[in-house]
Amino acid sequence: EADIYQTPRYLVIGTGKKITLECSQTMGHDKMYWYQQDPGMELHLIHYSYGVNSTEKGDLSSESTVSRIRTEHFPLTLESARPSHTSQYLCASSDEGPGEAFFGQGTRLTVV
Amino acid sequence: GENVEQHPSTLSVQEGDSAVIKCTYSDSASNYFPWYKQELGKGPQLIIDIRSNVGEKKDQRIAVTLNKTAKHFSLHITETQPEDSAVYFCAAVPLGGFKTIFGAGTRLFVKA
Repeated sequence: EADIYQTPRYLVIGTGKKITLECSQTMGHDKMYWYQQDPGMELHLIHYSYGVNSTEKGDLSSESTVSRIRTEHFPLTLESARPSHTSQYLCASSDEGPGEAFFGQGTRLTVV
Repeated sequence: GENVEQHPSTLSVQEGDSAVIKCTYSDSASNYFPWYKQELGKGPQLIIDIRSNVGEKKDQRIAVTLNKTAKHFSLHITETQPEDSAVYFCAAVPLGGFKTIFGAGTRLFVKA
């Protein structure tokens, strides 16, 4: 079992609210990633980090932001949630290349 | 841009039969090809991978093949079992790249 944890697992929130999705890993991996995925569908990279104080945007345009103050922690924040943000958000980490990643169980977000 | 095409999108087999999933990548610089399995309600899990200097790799009931000339790679599952039912994603990572390009996924059903 991979030691990467996401909270909450499920979240239903009203439009305009600010939310933070948490992701923590205990493996000491430098590289961390956030993907957006509609259930069972393709994964889209929205943010990644190569280490502390390093963050970059991925391919899919996202209104979310991330921070990497500690190696083990990579939270994702939506300042003002909208229904279009409804999706599943997957966090991952890797020690080697980006393709050898360990994924968390995901946060399923619903914005009403 | 870089992309990975995956076929079929859905595959239904009888328990004990073989299943084959095929992918094609566009970026000739890709040199690492992981396969992920995603069960319902969980994050993707790396199940096998292959590098560009190898044509085939096997791990118990699963095997992957790579044809660099044709830019094709495939996942083969033999003696399928109901617990193999899941969504499978192929992916490609370019040499020195920072991101993984995922296919759209194949939903595999194994009927008991």
